Order: sequence, then structure tokens, then C-alpha cells
Amino acid sequence: AQKITQTQPGMFVQEKEAVTLDCTYDTSDQSYGLFWYKQPSSGEMIFLIYQGSYDEQNATEGRYSLNFQKARKSANLVISASQLGDSAMYFCAIPNQAGTALIFGKGTTLSVSS
Amino acid sequence: DAGVTQSPTHLIKTRGQQVTLRCSPKSGHDTVSWYQQALGQGPQFIFQYYEEEERQRGNFPDRFSGHQFPNYSSELNVNALLLGDSALYLCASSFPGQGAEAFFGQGTRLTVV
Repeated sequence: AQKITQTQPGMFVQEKEAVTLDCTYDTSDQSYGLFWYKQPSSGEMIFLIYQGSYDEQNATEGRYSLNFQKARKSANLVISASQLGDSAMYFCAIPNQAGTALIFGKGTTLSVSS
Repeated sequence: DAGVTQSPTHLIKTRGQQVTLRCSPKSGHDTVSWYQQALGQGPQFIFQYYEEEERQRGNFPDRFSGHQFPNYSSELNVNALLLGDSALYLCASSFPGQGAEAFFGQGTRLTVV
């Protein structure tokens, strides 16, 4: 069965610093994708970045990049030049085996200070 | 272009009561999924609706039921509320067959007292 593990309950960083949020996954599928979402205190889940298992290059979206290490089943999110508005919960997710829904980790709370 | 909208945003109910939550999908989307997010946890999949039928269901009891209307909007109903049903309920919409590539609403925060 698919599983996502996020071992960092909370991370603290200062503005303009880079931060890495860890995510490891378990799946028996040969083809799959990894998603990262941001959830501010308002509750909405905001899509950040996606990486397909067969993508040769790590995904990048603005200040977000994904450090994908397939052999280690790791898909860490890197946020460069942190901003105060980055303070939120961050979730890593993988599709279920049917590909119809997402399985989420427990999330990591990121706090950015000035 | 309106995204996924949910109503109400907050709700307080008494144990044993019934509740109905509503969701309008993003324009062009016809598949709606519901997730439950307990405090401090990641969202958990409840079920998915497509073509007005429940297409897949997560590990939730029959007290949780839903409906999808011809305009693709959806309702989540929970009967015989328990204190443990207190959570943020998220609706997500997507194109058919792409339930994992979903857009989420802001959620309904349900408190059962």
C-alpha cells in the first residue's frame, strides 16, 4: 500500500534562508507521482509542485524545487529564499493505487521569522 | 474563474445530530472528492463522486454518505455525529480519471460538541 512519511513535525527558518522539508514514500507501483501542498491557517490546500517517477530532472516551480531520489524513495521539498508568507503546514502526497485520490503524510509546520 | 467553493466555512453541531456540507467544483471539473483532516493530521480520503455516483470510498463508516448533482456540485452528509468527527472537511475537484491531480477548496471546519 502507498505510504508517505514526514518526520519533521516543525521547522524554523529565518527570512531569505533556504529550507528542506523531508518526505519519504512507499509504493509498489512502477509509475507514480509525488505532490507537495501548502496549507496556510485558512485551511485551503494549495498545490506547489509535482514530480513524476520517470521525470529525469528534478521539478522546479519558482522558489520551490523537489529533490527527488528514487532509489532512496525520497522526495524532499526545497524552498529557497524563505518569506514570511511561507509560514504554513506542508504536505507530501502520493496517489493511491487506483490513481483516484491522494494519500498524505502528517505534514510539517514551517515557521519563518524576520 | 471560481475555484472550488465550500459552504459553510464553520459549523458547530451536537453529538448525535446530522450535518450536510456542500461543495461546488472548479469550472470544467466533474469529479469531486471529499477528505477529512483531523487536527494535526494529513487529509484522509472519504469518497469520490463522478457522474452522480460514488466511484471509490476510503475507510469511513456508512454514517458518511454523499451525493453529486447534475451540475457536478456535491454534498457530504454525516449522520449520528460523534465527537471524533470534529475535523476540517476538504472538497477537491478534478477532471475525470485524475482524482490525484486535484484542486482543493478552503474547507468546512466542523466542531461536534
